[in-house]
Amino acid sequence: LAKTTQPISMDSYEGQEVNITCSHNNIATNDYITWYQQFPSQGPRFIIQGYKTKVTNEVASLFIPADRKSSTLSLPRVSLSDTAVYYCLVGDQAGTALIFGKGTTLSVSS
Amino acid sequence: DADVTQTPRNRITKTGKRIMLECSQTKGHDRMYWYRQDPGLGLQLIYYSFDVKDINKGEISDGYSVSRQAQAKFSLSLESAIPNQTALYFCATSDFRGGTDTQYFGPGTRLTVL
Repeated sequence: LAKTTQPISMDSYEGQEVNITCSHNNIATNDYITWYQQFPSQGPRFIIQGYKTKVTNEVASLFIPADRKSSTLSLPRVSLSDTAVYYCLVGDQAGTALIFGKGTTLSVSS
Repeated sequence: DADVTQTPRNRITKTGKRIMLECSQTKGHDRMYWYRQDPGLGLQLIYYSFDVKDINKGEISDGYSVSRQAQAKFSLSLESAIPNQTALYFCATSDFRGGTDTQYFGPGTRLTVL
């Protein structure tokens, strides 16, 4: 699986847009990118997933440039409840078990 | 996710004891996983199973063993617990279809080894 690199932590204020970028330089052609969110003492939960360009759902947007060597999770107008750890993972077509890593801790203040 | 349950939710035990953590799922998924999370750190994969007859070691399997009793059940054992196994343990399931794999996590088991 492609190794991912993301910032250890980020800070934001309520109402701002937050963009968390993940680097995955060795991503293969048909690999896909998934982001999870984890609140303290809870298991991670799926946020969004994509292969290329842009994916949007009711929670977030995922931007993937043409070279696919990075991806950006965009959270619009964050609130205090968005304070959590966000994990970027790359999955392959063989279904290899995913590796979570340490994620990015997002702290939202009022 | 209520579809993935873990028992017990909390457990305090002593060094050298054998401990079993259990995971059950009603999602009908073939794949099941055990993760460990230490305070302030990410998740580390202990063992995973892609079907009932398939068991694989993850990143940190030493000191742990697993049993896949059925499609819906996957248990994690600590044969002789030690204090540095104190952590939050998560079970997860997934269904690899259409070329993507999305995991669903249980509520976690907080284990303390004294």
